Formats: sequence, C-alpha cells, structure tokens
Amino acid sequence: ETGVTQSPTHLIKTRGQQVTLRCSSQSGHNTVSWYQQALGQGPQFIFQYYREEENGRGNFPPRFSGLQFPNYSSELNVNALELDDSALYLCASSLDPQGYNEQFFGPGTRLTVL
Amino acid sequence: TQLLEQSPQFLSIQEGENLTVYCNSSSVFSSLQWYRQEPGEGPVLLVTVVTGGEVKKLKRLTFQFGDARKDSSLHITAAQPGDTGLYLCAGARNYGQNFVFGPGTRLSVLP
Repeated sequence: ETGVTQSPTHLIKTRGQQVTLRCSSQSGHNTVSWYQQALGQGPQFIFQYYREEENGRGNFPPRFSGLQFPNYSSELNVNALELDDSALYLCASSLDPQGYNEQFFGPGTRLTVL
Repeated sequence: TQLLEQSPQFLSIQEGENLTVYCNSSSVFSSLQWYRQEPGEGPVLLVTVVTGGEVKKLKRLTFQFGDARKDSSLHITAAQPGDTGLYLCAGARNYGQNFVFGPGTRLSVLP
C-alpha cells in the first residue's frame, strides 16, 4: 500500500509568482485535505476535496485554489504569492470526509517566498 | 485567537522522566485527536477520543478527554528519545466537521 506522496519537496518562489503543489492520495482514499503549517504553528485547514468536488474551505483567500482528479490525486494552486505564504504545505487523504476516519498526511512541500 | 491552546509550548526532559502536555479550549468538541509530527514529516495520528471523561492508553502514552469535552491531556511515562517531536491536538466541533489544530507542544527527550 503506497502512502501519501507530495511533490516537490522544496520550492523557492518570488513574490507575485504562481505555484502548483501536487499530492497523490493513499490507495483507496477518495478525500484529500490541504493544510498550511507556518513555522512554529499547527496545520491550518485550507480546503478539502471529495470525489473531485470542493467539500469545505478554511479561512484562505480565493488565490488559493485546488483540483482533484479522477484518480483522487490533487493539486493546490496559489496565485500572486506573498511573503506570508512561506510555509509547509501538507496534504492528507482519508477514506471519506465524514466522521472520524483517520487522515494520513504526506511529508509536505516546503515553500519559501522571497 | 487560537481555538485550541496547548501547553507547554516547549518541553525538554531527560530520558526516563514522566511528562504531561495539555490541550485546552473554551469550546466543546465532539471529538479530539492527538498527533505526533517529526521533522520533515507530516503528522501521524496517535488517538481519537470522543466521549467526555474517556481515557485511552497506547503503550506508555495515556490520553484523557475532559468530562466537559473542552480539554485533553497526554501523559507519557518513562519518556524515550524516540518520543521527541511536535505533539498536536486537533478538535472537531461537530461530527463530520474538519478538525482544527492547536499550535503544538515541542518535546525533546535527551538521552
């Protein structure tokens, strides 16, 4: 069973640029959630995708957008990057969005915005 | 304002010592989870508690959910260097809602 994978591992961008981060969910999981973890903080929920549809969104501006593909892998896109977007971006997959199903996290993508 | 507060923020102890870390809120949660996150990795779920007053044990780790479901504690007995990491609590206000994470307690266990 393959776990959650994310790419790239690290990324450096400059202010105003756009970035796309990728996540492959664990086999059999149809739900992917994205989180932003700033240095010294806990993960903050960005949004969740369930069967290719957005299924809940946290307090993040519209320049944070996402996609989920038929194979349940997912992308996080961030436009017009700001310095404060520098963080570890985590994705987590689960069996479905309801209840207390365990989320399995990937290792994250470390984004630095200069 | 954090929905979940965790204390202490940092903790450094010697191998073999016992410790307790806390997760507190003014809100009631339907469930609460504890995770451990090691450097360069994503958080790994340790336990989910759903009933007020519930106590769960995982080897040397003991988790307790407060009677009012507003707080939780994690007690580690005879800490080992492998316990080093960031301990995160996360709570869901209602069944099916996304979990909100606290800021974490960074634990360092020295050999």
